Amino acid sequence: SQQGEEDPQALSIQEGENATMNCSYKTSINNLQWYRQNSGRGLVHLILIRSNEREKHSGRLRVTLDTSKKSSSLLITASRAADTASYFCATDAGYGNNRLAFGKGNQVVVIP
Amino acid sequence: NAGVTQTPKFQVLKTGQSMTLQCAQDMNHEYMSWYRQDPGMGLRLIHYSVGAGITDQGEVPNGYNVSRSTTEDFPLRLLSAAPSQTSVYFCASSYRQVGYEQYFGPGTRLTVT
Repeated sequence: SQQGEEDPQALSIQEGENATMNCSYKTSINNLQWYRQNSGRGLVHLILIRSNEREKHSGRLRVTLDTSKKSSSLLITASRAADTASYFCATDAGYGNNRLAFGKGNQVVVIP
Repeated sequence: NAGVTQTPKFQVLKTGQSMTLQCAQDMNHEYMSWYRQDPGMGLRLIHYSVGAGITDQGEVPNGYNVSRSTTEDFPLRLLSAAPSQTSVYFCASSYRQVGYEQYFGPGTRLTVT
């Protein structure tokens, strides 16, 4: 089964800096999604990018998708203390495969 | 709308006990799913449902049962709790199938002693 997998490093940055995290997966996908999880809370959807898209923006978020490399990146620009959270990518294969596979997550700490 | 609700928020069980984690959504979503989250493991899919009366297994289904008698409710049953089932459990729903934004509940923290 496919599996979204983020680069495992925890990231610690100063407020105002940009934060970039990556996700790789093993098999063909239909969509890739990014989620944020604040400590002790449920996941919140950030952005969905389809396999035929290469880049998508939402506010301070920029997601890229490279299907040839089976990888995606999430960029948060001008980070804020409130961006401190864990970030997860999740992939689905579509075509009747109704399973969403999450990666292990990337912890981001934004220092005020 | 309340979104996705889960009860209880916390639960402690003894090995061998059974219990049901409740999940409900009021958004008329077709797709519902259960995940468990363990440190360093990300989220792993336990069971999912694409509509009332239809359920299927995910990545780690052993020791868990589900049913979907209504669109709104998707309870998760632990048949005979084991310490390995100590985890945080999340329920999620989406409009249709898996390629849509998932709405997550707040989670249930379960400890099995």
